[in-house]
Amino acid sequence: EAEVAQSPRYKITEKSQAVAFWCDPISGHATLYWYRQILGQGPELLVQFQDESVVDDSQLPKDRFSAERLKGVDSTLKIQPAELGDSAMYLCASSLGEGTGANVLTFGAGSRLTVL
Amino acid sequence: AQSVTQLGSHVSVSEGALVLLRCNYSSSVPPYLFWYVQYPNQGLQLLLKYTSAATLVKGINGFEAEFKKSETSFHLTKPSAHMSDAAEYFCAVSDGTGGFKTIFGAGTRLFVKA
Repeated sequence: EAEVAQSPRYKITEKSQAVAFWCDPISGHATLYWYRQILGQGPELLVQFQDESVVDDSQLPKDRFSAERLKGVDSTLKIQPAELGDSAMYLCASSLGEGTGANVLTFGAGSRLTVL
Repeated sequence: AQSVTQLGSHVSVSEGALVLLRCNYSSSVPPYLFWYVQYPNQGLQLLLKYTSAATLVKGINGFEAEFKKSETSFHLTKPSAHMSDAAEYFCAVSDGTGGFKTIFGAGTRLFVKA
Protein backbone atom coordinates (compact mmCIF):
# COMPACT_ATOMS: atom_id res chain seq x y z
CA GLU A 1 0.00 0.00 0.00
CA ALA A 2 1.37 3.43 -0.95
CA GLU A 3 2.47 5.60 1.94
CA VAL A 4 3.55 9.14 2.64
CA ALA A 5 7.11 9.00 3.95
CA GLN A 6 8.37 11.48 6.53
CA SER A 7 11.71 11.89 8.28
CA PRO A 8 12.93 12.17 10.90
CA ARG A 9 10.27 10.59 13.10
CA TYR A 10 11.65 12.30 16.18
CA LYS A 11 13.84 15.37 16.56
CA ILE A 12 15.12 17.00 19.72
CA THR A 13 16.84 20.33 19.35
CA GLU A 14 17.77 23.35 21.37
CA LYS A 15 16.10 26.69 20.81
CA SER A 16 17.72 28.90 18.20
CA GLN A 17 18.90 25.87 16.21
CA ALA A 18 17.76 25.05 12.69
CA VAL A 19 15.50 22.08 12.00
CA ALA A 20 14.37 20.47 8.75
CA PHE A 21 11.68 17.92 7.98
CA TRP A 22 11.31 15.94 4.77
CA CYS A 23 8.23 14.49 3.14
CA ASP A 24 7.79 12.21 0.13
CA PRO A 25 4.12 12.03 -0.92
CA ILE A 26 2.33 9.21 -2.66
CA SER A 27 3.42 8.97 -6.26
CA GLY A 28 1.10 10.95 -8.51
CA HIS A 29 -0.38 13.07 -5.75
CA ALA A 30 -0.29 16.66 -6.95
CA THR A 31 -1.28 18.31 -3.69
CA LEU A 32 0.96 18.28 -0.63
CA TYR A 33 0.15 19.69 2.80
CA TRP A 34 2.18 20.44 5.90
CA TYR A 35 0.20 20.55 9.14
CA ARG A 36 1.34 21.33 12.69
CA GLN A 37 -0.37 19.49 15.52
CA ILE A 38 0.23 20.74 19.03
CA LEU A 39 -0.42 18.13 21.73
CA GLY A 40 -4.12 17.88 22.45
CA GLN A 41 -5.20 19.93 19.43
CA GLY A 42 -6.26 19.32 15.88
CA PRO A 43 -3.90 19.70 12.91
CA GLU A 44 -3.36 23.28 11.74
CA LEU A 45 -2.52 23.85 8.09
CA LEU A 46 0.85 25.55 7.62
CA VAL A 47 1.31 25.33 3.86
CA GLN A 48 -0.34 23.70 0.86
CA PHE A 49 1.32 23.00 -2.48
CA GLN A 50 -0.23 22.22 -5.83
CA ASP A 51 2.63 20.64 -7.73
CA GLU A 52 5.53 23.02 -7.04
CA SER A 53 3.37 26.10 -6.38
CA VAL A 54 2.23 27.35 -3.00
CA VAL A 55 -1.58 27.46 -2.83
CA ASP A 56 -1.92 28.60 0.79
CA ASP A 57 0.70 29.62 3.32
CA SER A 58 -1.39 32.11 5.24
CA GLN A 59 -0.71 30.38 8.60
CA LEU A 60 3.00 29.79 8.03
CA PRO A 61 5.15 31.95 10.35
CA LYS A 62 7.32 33.21 7.55
CA ASP A 63 9.87 34.91 9.76
CA ARG A 64 11.16 31.51 10.83
CA PHE A 65 9.44 28.84 8.74
CA SER A 66 10.03 28.04 5.09
CA ALA A 67 8.77 25.27 2.83
CA GLU A 68 9.66 24.18 -0.64
CA ARG A 69 8.64 21.57 -3.18
CA LEU A 70 11.10 22.34 -5.95
CA LYS A 71 10.27 19.59 -8.45
CA GLY A 72 6.68 19.09 -7.42
CA VAL A 73 7.45 15.79 -5.71
CA ASP A 74 9.07 15.70 -2.27
CA SER A 75 9.06 18.65 0.10
CA THR A 76 11.10 20.14 2.92
CA LEU A 77 9.85 22.22 5.84
CA LYS A 78 12.48 24.24 7.69
CA ILE A 79 12.43 26.12 10.97
CA GLN A 80 15.20 28.61 11.76
CA PRO A 81 15.60 29.48 14.55
CA ALA A 82 13.50 27.01 16.52
CA GLU A 83 11.58 28.33 19.52
CA LEU A 84 10.12 26.50 22.52
CA GLY A 85 6.61 26.99 21.16
CA ASP A 86 7.49 25.06 18.01
CA SER A 87 7.39 21.78 19.91
CA ALA A 88 4.70 19.80 18.08
CA MET A 89 4.03 17.01 15.62
CA TYR A 90 4.60 18.06 12.02
CA LEU A 91 2.37 16.10 9.68
CA CYS A 92 2.71 15.82 5.95
CA ALA A 93 -0.25 14.75 3.82
CA SER A 94 -0.92 14.39 0.13
CA SER A 95 -3.94 14.08 -2.14
CA LEU A 96 -4.67 13.57 -5.82
CA GLY A 97 -5.72 17.18 -6.21
CA GLU A 98 -8.38 16.37 -8.78
CA GLY A 99 -11.22 13.97 -9.39
CA THR A 100 -13.22 12.14 -6.76
CA GLY A 101 -10.19 11.72 -4.50
CA ALA A 102 -9.18 15.34 -4.75
CA ASN A 103 -9.64 16.19 -1.11
CA VAL A 104 -9.00 12.87 0.57
CA LEU A 105 -5.79 13.30 2.52
CA THR A 106 -3.30 10.52 3.13
CA PHE A 107 -1.03 11.34 6.06
CA GLY A 108 2.46 10.31 6.91
CA ALA A 109 3.38 9.13 10.42
CA GLY A 110 4.60 12.60 11.35
CA SER A 111 7.77 14.15 12.73
CA ARG A 112 7.68 14.94 16.43
CA LEU A 113 9.77 17.98 17.35
CA THR A 114 10.87 18.79 20.88
CA VAL A 115 12.60 22.12 21.43
CA LEU A 116 14.58 22.44 24.66
CA ALA B 1 -14.90 30.79 5.89
CA GLN B 2 -15.22 27.22 6.99
CA SER B 3 -14.87 25.87 10.53
CA VAL B 4 -15.46 22.75 12.57
CA THR B 5 -16.54 22.35 16.17
CA GLN B 6 -16.27 19.04 17.98
CA LEU B 7 -18.34 18.84 21.12
CA GLY B 8 -16.49 17.10 23.94
CA SER B 9 -12.74 16.75 24.04
CA HIS B 10 -13.09 13.37 25.77
CA VAL B 11 -15.74 10.67 25.50
CA SER B 12 -15.73 7.48 27.58
CA VAL B 13 -17.87 4.43 26.80
CA SER B 14 -17.97 0.83 27.90
CA GLU B 15 -17.03 -1.94 25.52
CA GLY B 16 -20.14 -2.89 23.54
CA ALA B 17 -21.87 0.44 24.10
CA LEU B 18 -22.90 2.97 21.47
CA VAL B 19 -20.26 5.45 20.37
CA LEU B 20 -21.43 8.98 19.48
CA LEU B 21 -18.93 11.70 18.61
CA ARG B 22 -20.38 15.09 17.74
CA CYS B 23 -19.30 17.45 14.99
CA ASN B 24 -20.82 20.70 13.74
CA TYR B 25 -19.50 22.59 10.78
CA SER B 26 -19.74 25.98 9.15
CA SER B 27 -19.30 26.46 5.43
CA SER B 28 -20.51 29.04 2.93
CA VAL B 29 -20.90 26.41 0.21
CA PRO B 30 -21.96 22.75 0.27
CA PRO B 31 -19.10 21.10 2.12
CA TYR B 32 -17.13 17.93 1.90
CA LEU B 33 -16.99 16.41 5.38
CA PHE B 34 -14.63 13.84 6.81
CA TRP B 35 -13.83 11.86 9.91
CA TYR B 36 -10.23 10.83 10.53
CA VAL B 37 -8.80 8.67 13.33
CA GLN B 38 -5.38 9.02 14.93
CA TYR B 39 -3.67 6.37 17.03
CA PRO B 40 -0.83 7.41 19.39
CA ASN B 41 2.26 8.73 17.62
CA GLN B 42 0.80 8.11 14.20
CA GLY B 43 -0.63 10.19 11.41
CA LEU B 44 -4.33 10.47 10.67
CA GLN B 45 -6.28 7.82 8.76
CA LEU B 46 -9.50 8.40 6.85
CA LEU B 47 -12.56 6.78 8.46
CA LEU B 48 -15.20 8.08 6.09
CA LYS B 49 -16.17 11.02 3.89
CA TYR B 50 -19.34 12.80 2.82
CA THR B 51 -19.46 14.15 -0.70
CA SER B 52 -23.22 14.71 -1.21
CA ALA B 53 -24.00 11.33 -2.77
CA ALA B 54 -25.85 10.08 0.34
CA THR B 55 -26.55 11.61 3.75
CA LEU B 56 -25.68 8.42 5.65
CA VAL B 57 -22.08 7.49 5.07
CA LYS B 58 -20.54 4.19 6.07
CA GLY B 59 -16.85 3.96 6.84
CA ILE B 60 -14.29 1.48 7.99
CA ASN B 61 -14.38 -0.49 11.25
CA GLY B 62 -18.17 -0.25 11.56
CA PHE B 63 -18.34 3.53 11.86
CA GLU B 64 -20.92 5.66 10.11
CA ALA B 65 -21.91 9.31 10.04
CA GLU B 66 -25.03 11.18 9.04
CA PHE B 67 -25.01 14.54 7.30
CA LYS B 68 -27.80 16.82 8.54
CA LYS B 69 -27.83 20.08 6.64
CA SER B 70 -30.54 21.68 8.79
CA GLU B 71 -28.44 21.09 11.90
CA THR B 72 -25.05 21.63 10.17
CA SER B 73 -23.95 18.42 11.84
CA PHE B 74 -21.97 15.35 10.88
CA HIS B 75 -21.95 13.14 13.97
CA LEU B 76 -19.98 9.88 14.02
CA THR B 77 -21.52 6.72 15.46
CA LYS B 78 -20.73 3.07 15.99
CA PRO B 79 -23.31 0.68 17.47
CA SER B 80 -20.90 -1.31 19.62
CA ALA B 81 -17.54 -0.04 20.86
CA HIS B 82 -14.47 -2.23 20.82
CA MET B 83 -11.31 -1.76 22.84
CA SER B 84 -9.40 -1.18 19.61
CA ASP B 85 -11.56 1.90 18.89
CA ALA B 86 -9.74 3.86 21.60
CA ALA B 87 -8.07 6.70 19.72
CA GLU B 88 -8.47 10.37 18.83
CA TYR B 89 -11.07 11.27 16.24
CA PHE B 90 -11.05 14.39 14.10
CA CYS B 91 -13.87 15.89 12.08
CA ALA B 92 -12.77 17.91 9.05
CA VAL B 93 -14.37 20.14 6.43
CA SER B 94 -13.35 21.14 2.94
CA ASP B 95 -15.45 23.45 0.80
CA GLY B 96 -13.69 22.59 -2.43
CA THR B 97 -12.21 26.04 -2.83
CA GLY B 98 -8.64 27.17 -2.35
CA GLY B 99 -7.30 23.95 -3.73
CA PHE B 100 -9.44 21.84 -1.39
CA LYS B 101 -8.10 23.35 1.81
CA THR B 102 -9.10 21.07 4.70
CA ILE B 103 -9.80 22.39 8.19
CA PHE B 104 -9.77 20.07 11.21
CA GLY B 105 -11.61 20.22 14.49
CA ALA B 106 -9.82 20.05 17.84
CA GLY B 107 -10.46 16.33 18.17
CA THR B 108 -12.28 14.02 20.55
CA ARG B 109 -10.40 11.36 22.46
CA LEU B 110 -12.41 8.17 22.81
CA PHE B 111 -11.79 5.95 25.83
CA VAL B 112 -13.25 2.42 25.87
CA LYS B 113 -13.64 0.72 29.25
CA ALA B 114 -13.60 -3.05 29.61
